This record gives sequence, structure tokens and C-alpha cells, in this order.
Amino acid sequence: DARVTQTPRHKVTEMGQEVTMRCQPILGHNTVFWYRQTMMQGLELLAYFRNRAPLDDSGMPKDRFSAEMPDATLATLKIQPSEPRDSAVYFCASGLGRGRGDTQYFGPGTRLTVL
Amino acid sequence: AQKITQTQPGMFVQEKEAVTLDCTYDTSDQSYGLFWYKQPSSGEMIFLIYQGSYDEQNATEGRYSLNFQKARKSANLVISASQLGDSAMYFCAMRVSGYSTLTFGKGTMLLVSP
Repeated sequence: DARVTQTPRHKVTEMGQEVTMRCQPILGHNTVFWYRQTMMQGLELLAYFRNRAPLDDSGMPKDRFSAEMPDATLATLKIQPSEPRDSAVYFCASGLGRGRGDTQYFGPGTRLTVL
Repeated sequence: AQKITQTQPGMFVQEKEAVTLDCTYDTSDQSYGLFWYKQPSSGEMIFLIYQGSYDEQNATEGRYSLNFQKARKSANLVISASQLGDSAMYFCAMRVSGYSTLTFGKGTMLLVSP
């Protein structure tokens, strides 16, 4: 049963610390997405990649967030320095990238708390 | 720009009854896809059902069906024979052709009572 995996599942950190979240997309999927979910804003797209190339990161605060795909099996989202307003659930999703009907499959999420 | 509207913040239904969760969308594109996801209290996002804008038949997946009314720009999710495990947040989402990203609604919380 192929699934998107994310680590860590939970992270509590102090303001100013660096946070790194990791995602392993489903094998064979060529699109990877990072979303953030908060009560106030709902689900927001932060960044997405196709064939490891970043195509849209307009949703990310550029000064502190960065997203990369070092290889096809790993996507990372870093926050440096973290702030309390970054507290949220961060989801990674992957898909086959085959048009409007392509389904995105979500990982379990990383619940981040910044104190 | 695309927009998804889910007007029901919360819905209550008794076990074994059917329930309809509303979703309206706004786009000027003719080619698009509509999705429903379920998010239980455990937090994961689970894909339920997909409907393409050119699909003539309403999509069905087990107890889930999508009531697609293109002229009204609505894509309501119908859950038949509700079960306690259906209690969750439900999100409607849309992708337009040429884009890989999804636009999500704010969600509807469904509570199923015994």
C-alpha cells in the first residue's frame, strides 16, 4: 500500500530555532506539494515541484522558508528562524502529474508548535 | 482565479441516514476537476472521489457519490447510509486544466450520531 510518509509527525521547538520537515512521496509520483493548515487560513499551498524542479513557491514566506527536493524520494521544507505564527500542520502530497484529474495523495502531516 | 465555497460549517446526521455536503465553485475555465477529501480527527487527508468537468455521469465510489450540476457550478458530496466512522471534516477542492495545484474550500465538519 503506497503512501506518502512525513517525518517528524510532531515537533515542538522554540522561537528562532531551525525546523526541517521531510517527505517521501509515493514512488513514481513526479509532483510534490507542501501545504500548511491552520484554523484561521485553512489549507494553503506553500510550494510545489514537478520532476524535482520548483514550479511555484509563491505561498512561502521567502525570508524564512525554503523547500527542496534533493532527490526523487525526498522533499524537505525548512523554516529558519521559526516563529510562533508558523505553528500549524504541514502536509506533503504527491501525484502523477497527469492533468486535471490527477489525484494528490497526502501524507499524515507534521504538527509544528513554535513556542 | 478559482474559488471553492463550502457554506456549511457543520452538519449533523444520524447513523444509517444519507447526508449531502454542499460545494460550489467558481472558475472561468471549461476544463477542471473536482475532488473531495476527508480529514478525520487523526489529521490525515484521505481522497474520496473525483469528478471531471466533461464527465457526463456523476462519480460514485462505494457509499460516496458526487452530485455534479455544471450549470449551477455545484459539486455536492452525498454519503449514503452514514456510519460513525464518517464523522470528520470534509473538504471540496478544484484543479483547473494546466495547473497542478488544488484550491480547497474551508471544509464542513460532519458529525454522525448513533
